[in-house]
Amino acid sequence: AQKITQTQPGMFVQEKEAVTLDCTYDTSDQSYGLFWYKQPSSGEMIFLIYQGSYDEQNATEGRYSLNFQKARKSANLVISASQLGDSAMYFCAMREANRGGNKLTFGTGTQLKVEL
Amino acid sequence: GAGVSQTPSNKVTEKGKYVELRCDPISGHTALYWYRQSLGQGPEFLIYFQGTGAADDSGLPNDRFFAVRPEGSVSTLKIQRTERGDSAVYLCASSSKYNEQFFGPGTRLTVL
Repeated sequence: AQKITQTQPGMFVQEKEAVTLDCTYDTSDQSYGLFWYKQPSSGEMIFLIYQGSYDEQNATEGRYSLNFQKARKSANLVISASQLGDSAMYFCAMREANRGGNKLTFGTGTQLKVEL
Repeated sequence: GAGVSQTPSNKVTEKGKYVELRCDPISGHTALYWYRQSLGQGPEFLIYFQGTGAADDSGLPNDRFFAVRPEGSVSTLKIQRTERGDSAVYLCASSSKYNEQFFGPGTRLTVL
């Protein structure tokens, strides 16, 4: 069974600083994918970034980058130049390819608070 | 184009009642997923549709839960004999590729 672990229930960062949100995963599959989502207080899940297990380069999307360390089974999200609007819950998730679909298994999330 | 939409945004019902939650995916997305998010937790997978058929319903908690997608677009999640433990946010997602899933705003279900 797959498992996602996010060990930081809450994180604080000062505006304009960078922050790393931790995610480790456990799978016996060779082919898998890792997602990060942002969930503001409004509740909607906003897709941020995706990393495939065979991707050699770390994924980047604007201020978001994914520090993928396959041997350690970690997929940490790095947010550069934090903004007040980055305050939200962040979820790491792993894609499990099964029966033609890609169901996601989520971690418990990290609540990020960006301060002035 | 429009994103995933879900109706209603909020639903309050009494224990034992029947409820239907609707999801309208992004146009052209063949894959549709339902998840349930309890307070303080990450979303948990319920069921996946590819086209009209339920390809994976392994996450449905019991036989009170059922979902359909008769024309391969809109999907309805149906819960019979609701229980207080069913209270949660029900999220729908759709995708056309393996490396994406776009979520709707969710339906907050409260069972009194």
